[in-house]
Amino acid sequence: QQQVKQSPQSLIVQKGGISIINCAYENTAFDYFPWYQQFPGKGPALLIAIRPDVSEKKEGRFTISFNKSAKQFSLHIMDSQPGDSATYFCAASHSGGYQKVTFGTGTKLQVIP
Amino acid sequence: DAGVTQSPTHLIKTRGQQVTLRCSPKSGHDTVSWYQQALGQGPQFIFQYYEEEERQRGNFPDRFSGHQFPNYSSELNVNALLLGDSALYLCASSLATGRTYEQYFGPGTRLTVT
Repeated sequence: QQQVKQSPQSLIVQKGGISIINCAYENTAFDYFPWYQQFPGKGPALLIAIRPDVSEKKEGRFTISFNKSAKQFSLHIMDSQPGDSATYFCAASHSGGYQKVTFGTGTKLQVIP
Repeated sequence: DAGVTQSPTHLIKTRGQQVTLRCSPKSGHDTVSWYQQALGQGPQFIFQYYEEEERQRGNFPDRFSGHQFPNYSSELNVNALLLGDSALYLCASSLATGRTYEQYFGPGTRLTVT
């Protein structure tokens, strides 16, 4: 059972553009939603995270938008740079789950000059 | 500040063999989780160790087992290897009392089963 659905599977954005990745979850017990960035040959690195008590969180060029009623959240990368080219995973966990993280299927982002 | 470390980096095994992967958590962390990441997929939760005991387990067969040592480091053991076990095995560490459940991942061990 896939509890976190992610789209698109791949994304090509021009340098300076906005990259948008969307995720939807099913388990209403989830109360922590992190995004991870993974470069080839590396482990995932925590990028930014949000809790459902806020609708938006911004850190530098990265913003998470959260819609609790729709059970959807998204990552926006402003002013995308070639160095942002990586695979991005949305994820979710809940306090009753002992920090077990459920990952989406990933979005491969390519930022072209 | 040392992050999560894993060894070995790469490993090639034959079907039916057994393998042991190792993980040292980030300094100050007491919880270790293991994930399997198949090529082109998101990481899948295998199990989590806290206080030297398996606290939670994902949908993986008993061929997958683990251990946590008093210094919080951990091992993942896989018996009777199958071709389908070929994947990147990731270790993540966290603090059990941490409110944000932030998990920090190591670089992974690439296991190839032939």
